[in-house]
Amino acid sequence: ETGVTQSPTHLIKTRGQQVTLRCSSQSGHNTVSWYQQALGQGPQFIFQYYREEENGRGNFPPRFSGLQFPNYSSELNVNALELDDSALYLCASSSGTLETQYFGPGTRLLVL
Amino acid sequence: AQTVTQSQPEMSVQEAETVTLSCTYDTSESDYYLFWYKQPPSRQMILVIRQEAYKQQNATENRFSVNFQKAAKSFSLKISDSQLGDAAMYFCAYSSVNSGNTPLVFGKGTRLSVIA
Repeated sequence: ETGVTQSPTHLIKTRGQQVTLRCSSQSGHNTVSWYQQALGQGPQFIFQYYREEENGRGNFPPRFSGLQFPNYSSELNVNALELDDSALYLCASSSGTLETQYFGPGTRLLVL
Repeated sequence: AQTVTQSQPEMSVQEAETVTLSCTYDTSESDYYLFWYKQPPSRQMILVIRQEAYKQQNATENRFSVNFQKAAKSFSLKISDSQLGDAAMYFCAYSSVNSGNTPLVFGKGTRLSVIA
């Protein structure tokens, strides 16, 4: 059974650019959640996708958007990058919206 | 809104000894899940243990056990026979079961060092 994978591992962007982060969910999981973890903080919920539809969103601006594909993999897109977007972005998958979430290794984004 | 508080930014324990990490939370809900996740330097968040609020029995997973005090809204993690591989950030997290989605609400974490 393959766990949750994320790509890329690290990424460096400049302010104003756009970025796409990718996540492959664990086999059998139909729900993907994205979190932002700033340095020294706990993860903060960005949004959740269930069966290709957004199923809840945290306190993040619209320039944070996402997609979920028929195979339940997911993308997180961030437009107009700001310095404060520098963080570890974690993806978690689960077998349903009320089930335990299992995390990927994360993507470290640095915005200069 | 629910909040999770971890009051110990850092803890240390001698190898083979026992350590307890504290967590308190605030909620008006009666049913929910609580979790402890471990995040080693590799960054991947690993599930340590899960507790359903409706269960009075404390969850255990090998050397890891919790002390769940629902009335006090307290959820501490006990690590027995500590090993060097237990060194990591530990996050306490809350999840509602009453909404259509269940985002995890995390505390700020406790950094655990294990001394050989």
